[in-house]
Amino acid sequence: AQSVTQPDIHITVSEGASLELRCNYSYGATPYLFWYVQSPGQGLQLLLKYFSGDTLVQGIKGFEAEFKRSQSSFNLRKPSVHWSDAAEYFCAVVNTGTASKLTFGTGTRLQVTL
Amino acid sequence: DSGVTQTPKHLITATGQRVTLRCSPRSGDLSVYWYQQSLDQGLQFLIQYYNGEERAKGNILERFSAQQFPDLHSELNLSSLELGDSALYFCASSQDGGGAFFGQGTRLTVV
Repeated sequence: AQSVTQPDIHITVSEGASLELRCNYSYGATPYLFWYVQSPGQGLQLLLKYFSGDTLVQGIKGFEAEFKRSQSSFNLRKPSVHWSDAAEYFCAVVNTGTASKLTFGTGTRLQVTL
Repeated sequence: DSGVTQTPKHLITATGQRVTLRCSPRSGDLSVYWYQQSLDQGLQFLIQYYNGEERAKGNILERFSAQQFPDLHSELNLSSLELGDSALYFCASSQDGGGAFFGQGTRLTVV
């Protein structure tokens, strides 16, 4: 079964600094990978997704992620963090079999200091 | 706005009661998913419907059930509620495999 690991539970960065959130997946075939963001009391918003092709994908709000098959990773990056980016970030993988449910990682909480 | 609508936003009920959560998917999306989010369990997949039929089941308790109606809206029924059922319940919809769009959730508090 597919799984996703987000090794960092909590990360703190200064506003204006760069950000990288780690995500490792376990899946036999080529995965469909996603990053979601959840602000407090809100639903999950899709930031970006990778299905195939170019391994560097661009998303909303200035985020990007790079798929590295050799490392089974799909890390999320942003060159300059804004205070409004403080939220919880979830990496997810889709089972590309008959069911297309998302399997989520445990999330990384991002704190931004001014 | 994701286009997925969930009602109600908040629900407070007593143990042993039954509640129904409602979800309207994005226009054109045939798949509806239900997830439960709690502090100790994280985001847990409960069940998926595709065009009215159950497609996949996750960690859904026997006390819980769901259905998807011909107009594609879905309902999640939770019965014999326990304190541990208190959580955020999310509905999501997709065109199947393209990444799901989530509603704002229903916060259920069982007292």
